[in-house]
Amino acid sequence: KNQVEQSPQSLIILEGKNCTLQCNYTVSPFSNLRWYKQDTGRGPVSLTIMTFSENTKSNGRYTATLDADTKQSSLHITASQLSDSASYICVVRGLNYGGSQGNLIFGKGTKLSVKP
Amino acid sequence: DTEVTQTPKHLVMGMTNKKSLKCEQHMGHRAMYWYKQKAKKPPELMFVYSYEKLSINESVPSRFSPECPNSSLLNLHLHALQPEDSALYLCASSPGSSPLHFGNGTRLTVT
Repeated sequence: KNQVEQSPQSLIILEGKNCTLQCNYTVSPFSNLRWYKQDTGRGPVSLTIMTFSENTKSNGRYTATLDADTKQSSLHITASQLSDSASYICVVRGLNYGGSQGNLIFGKGTKLSVKP
Repeated sequence: DTEVTQTPKHLVMGMTNKKSLKCEQHMGHRAMYWYKQKAKKPPELMFVYSYEKLSINESVPSRFSPECPNSSLLNLHLHALQPEDSALYLCASSPGSSPLHFGNGTRLTVT
């Protein structure tokens, strides 16, 4: 069964600290993996995409990693800011549903709270 | 601001009402989607339109009726909803396999 598991479910850190969010998946065959940030009451926004051949990709203070062998991804946030408080959702796309977006598997997200 | 615009932002409706949610994008994306998101849960796919034709219906009850009048607009018609249908309804678009561009959603409350 295609699944995406995220951990931790929630996380509280102090402003300025670093943190790492985890995503494990069983989706096969694999196409790509995206991390989305969702602020409360708003729609998700894409942070980064990881394809099979990519190990690390950065977007400002966000760095995503992918280990396609172990089917694990992480999102590292450096020097956290209050505005980083949000839910972070890992979304994996499989290859076997045709060209539509019906083959996206969403994780349940990690709720990050950054405190002053 | 998001490039996918959803209206209204909030909607309260009774179980006998008929209402519509609207979504608009002008990025030239040919795929548009409706997702439902309950509190503390990830978005759940409801419908996918590709080139203005319904390509995916994830076994959604008939009280939800999607419509795609043209390549920029997507509607979701609501009729005889239940309180458990209360949720955040997200519209998204994409040019293909690129990321979904989400709107900020309509917060629906069914009383």
